[in-house]
Amino acid sequence: TQLLEQSPQFLSIQEGENLTVYCNSSSVFSSLQWYRQEPGEGPVLLVTVVTGGEVKKLKRLTFQFGDARKDSSLHITAAQPGDTGLYLCAGEGAGTGNQFYFGTGTSLTVIP
Amino acid sequence: NAGVTQTPKFQVLKTGQSMTLQCAQDMNHNSMYWYRQDPGMGLRLIYYSASEGTTDKGEVPNGYNVSRLNKREFSLRLESAAPSQTSVYFCASRTGAGGRGEQFFGPGTRLTVL
Repeated sequence: TQLLEQSPQFLSIQEGENLTVYCNSSSVFSSLQWYRQEPGEGPVLLVTVVTGGEVKKLKRLTFQFGDARKDSSLHITAAQPGDTGLYLCAGEGAGTGNQFYFGTGTSLTVIP
Repeated sequence: NAGVTQTPKFQVLKTGQSMTLQCAQDMNHNSMYWYRQDPGMGLRLIYYSASEGTTDKGEVPNGYNVSRLNKREFSLRLESAAPSQTSVYFCASRTGAGGRGEQFFGPGTRLTVL
């Protein structure tokens, strides 16, 4: 059973388009992180959100943590080919002492 | 400063063979993790160590054992490999508990069990 469900699983868009990736759960998390992974490499952290309702912006990327701290979204504006990769959300379980649960991942391809 | 290093990068085993995956970090982090990544499944936590001298089971610990040798090193052992353990294994480290700590990942070990 996957604790965190991401949607969509695959996304192929044209350069310049906008997109949103969703990360949903029925569990509450003390924090939620978004990672990007390139083929053959380990994930690299993009952002951490901690407070319910928190919104963080990283250039063209906007991250939001749900009010109830059960879900999150990643919005990319004017996607570029360099945004291509696997996007993973990871929730730190409340009260689990440092344990992380990863989402199923969203594979994004931005076509020039 | 190498970050998180893993050895080996690739490994092929026959069913029933044993092996140890090595992981080391040079960032003086307290917490270390072992994950496996399978297509369509994201990363699943096998074991983690919140601090030197402690280890805890994650989501999928069956068939694996770990050793936190010291603060730097955290190894994962497969005692009797099975084809279901074919996967990419990632080690990660983190400063400690608390909401803002970033996990730093190693480059991964690609394991095939025949």
